[in-house]
Amino acid sequence: DGGITQSPKYLFRKEGQNVTLSCEQNLNHDAMYWYRQDPGQGLRLIYYSQIVNDFQKGDIAEGYSVSREKKESFPLTVTSAQKNPTAFYLCASSARRTSGGQETQYFGPGTRLLVL
Amino acid sequence: AQSVTQLGSHVSVSEGALVLLRCNYSSSVPPYLFWYVQYPNQGLQLLLKYTSAATLVKGINGFEAEFKKSETSFHLTKPSAHMSDAAEYFCAVGNTGRRALTFGSGTRLQVQP
Repeated sequence: DGGITQSPKYLFRKEGQNVTLSCEQNLNHDAMYWYRQDPGQGLRLIYYSQIVNDFQKGDIAEGYSVSREKKESFPLTVTSAQKNPTAFYLCASSARRTSGGQETQYFGPGTRLLVL
Repeated sequence: AQSVTQLGSHVSVSEGALVLLRCNYSSSVPPYLFWYVQYPNQGLQLLLKYTSAATLVKGINGFEAEFKKSETSFHLTKPSAHMSDAAEYFCAVGNTGRRALTFGSGTRLQVQP
C-alpha cells in the first residue's frame, strides 16, 4: 500500500531538548511539506522541499529545521528555540507539478507533540 | 498573496439535513481550490479539488462544491447529512506560483441524531 507514514504518533519533549519527527512516503512524490496545526488556526506551513537536497522555509520556520537526503524521507527537528512546540504536526507530499497545474497534497496521520 | 476564510468555526445540522460549509478565497492569480476532511487525531483526506475544468466539482462521500469566481467562493455542500460526516473540514487554496497550499481555519461539523 502506498502512503505516508509519520512516527511517533505521540512525542514528549522536555525543556531545552531537540526532538525529531519522522515522515516517510512511498508514493514516489517529489515534493514534501511540514505543517503545524493548532486549534482554531488551521494548518500553517513550516518547511517544504521540492527535490532532494533542497528545501525552503514556510510561514513559521523559526525554531524548526529539516533535511531532505532521500526522496522518501523528510524529517522535521523541533529545536529548543521553538518556545511553544505543543501542536499537531502533519507531513504531506505531492507529485511533480505538471505544466500549469496544482498537484494534490496527500497527508500522513500526524504526530502530536507535547511538552513535559 | 492568497488567503482563505471559512465562515463559521462550528456548524451543527440534523441527520438528513443539508450541509453547507462556506469558503471564500483571495488570490491574485487563478486559484486551485481544495476541500479536505479531518477526523479526530488523524491526517487530512481529500474530499474534492477544483482545477478550472468545471465549476461544479463532485467529491467523495456525496459532497460537492461550486466555484463562483464573481463571489470568490467555493462552498461545500451535501444534500443529506449522515452521522459519519461529523468531522473538521478545511478549505485550501493553491496556485501555479506558490507550491504549498494556504488553509482556512477549519469548520467543525456536528451532526445531531
